[in-house]
Formats: sequence, structure tokens, C-alpha cells
Amino acid sequence: EAQVTQNPRYLITVTGKKLTVTCSQNMNHEYMSWYRQDPGLGLRQIYYSMNVEVTDKGDVPEGYKVSRKEKRNFPLILESPSPNQTSLYFCATTGSTDTQYFGPGTRLTVL
Amino acid sequence: GQQLNQSPQSMFIQEGEDVSMNCTSSSIFNTWLWYKQEPGEGPVLLIALYKAGELTSNGRLTAQFGITRKDSFLNISASIPSDVGIYFCAGVTGNQFYFGTGTSLTVIP
Repeated sequence: EAQVTQNPRYLITVTGKKLTVTCSQNMNHEYMSWYRQDPGLGLRQIYYSMNVEVTDKGDVPEGYKVSRKEKRNFPLILESPSPNQTSLYFCATTGSTDTQYFGPGTRLTVL
Repeated sequence: GQQLNQSPQSMFIQEGEDVSMNCTSSSIFNTWLWYKQEPGEGPVLLIALYKAGELTSNGRLTAQFGITRKDSFLNISASIPSDVGIYFCAGVTGNQFYFGTGTSLTVIP
């Protein structure tokens, strides 16, 4: 079964404490991306990756890092989280026809 | 970033009614996509449009890629309670995806 998994699903943390949200896909897709979803703003792309070791900034990359060391994994790293990064985060993988599959989401609260 | 204006923001309709929502942009896109999101889940792709003027159906859903490549609409015919959710449009240009702000649909049985 085609799947995108994210962990953790829920996370409450404090300002400045580094965290990583993992994302894994089993569809052998080259393109992966991260989004944040905020009320009234829809989904905004944070970073995307066209392939292993290739990453690019999306619309809202400030405060985030990513890495793509292997095709199936695309972790999102917050080196020093701040309260304005409280949001719902989605990982997605995209096939050749722009068909995107989203993970179940990670709800992050930064206190 | 690029802005996609999606309207209406919310709709409350009676079961059986038809629904129409649209997305406009000041920018040209190569692909238009329509998604549905249910509470606690990620968006799910409903329809993908790849060519200006293209009209595509998926069951009771019909979507069109505007001729100017700056807009798209989604129609849902004969709505049913399970159509409830938030519908998003997305435009794709280069390697980036831009989403609308969503249309929240409530279907009253």
C-alpha cells in the first residue's frame, strides 16, 4: 500500500529546543516536500526536494532545515523552534504527473 | 509567494444541491489540482488538470483548467453528506506547489 508516514503525529515543545519531524515514503518518488497549514492561509510549501541531496526553499523556509540523504526519507528540522512555528505540518511525495500524496500530519505546539 | 484566491470561503448547502467553487491567480500555472481534506487527515487529490481548457470529471466532480491558465473551477453535483470537508485548489509552476486558502463545505441532510 502506498504510504507517507510522519512522526510524531503530535508534539508539544518549548522555545529553542531542537526537534526533528520524520517523513518516509514507500512509493520510490523522487520529489518530496514539506508544508505548514495555518487557519486562513491554506498550505504553504516550506522546502522541497527533487532527489537525493537536492533540496530547495519553498515559500516559507525561514526557521526550518531539511535533508535528503536517502530517497525514502525527508526529515524536517527546527533548530530553534519559536511560537510562530506552532502549526500543522504535512509531508508529501509527488509522482511524475504532479500527483501528490500527503502524510497524516504533525501537529506542533511551541510554548 | 504566489497568491491563489479561492472562493467562496465557506458554503452551507442542502443535500442534493450542486456546488461550485473557483480559484484565481495573477500568475500562470502549468497544472491545476483540486484536493479534499477531512478533519485530522492530509489532503487527498481529487482531480488533476494539465492543459488550458481541459475539462475533467471524477464521478460527481468536474473541474476545468481556465483558458488563461490563471484560474480553475470545481463543481460537485448532487451533493451528499460525505462531501463535507475543506476543498483546496493548487497551482503548480516549475517545481513548486501553491495552494488556495480553501473552501469549507457543509452539507445539510
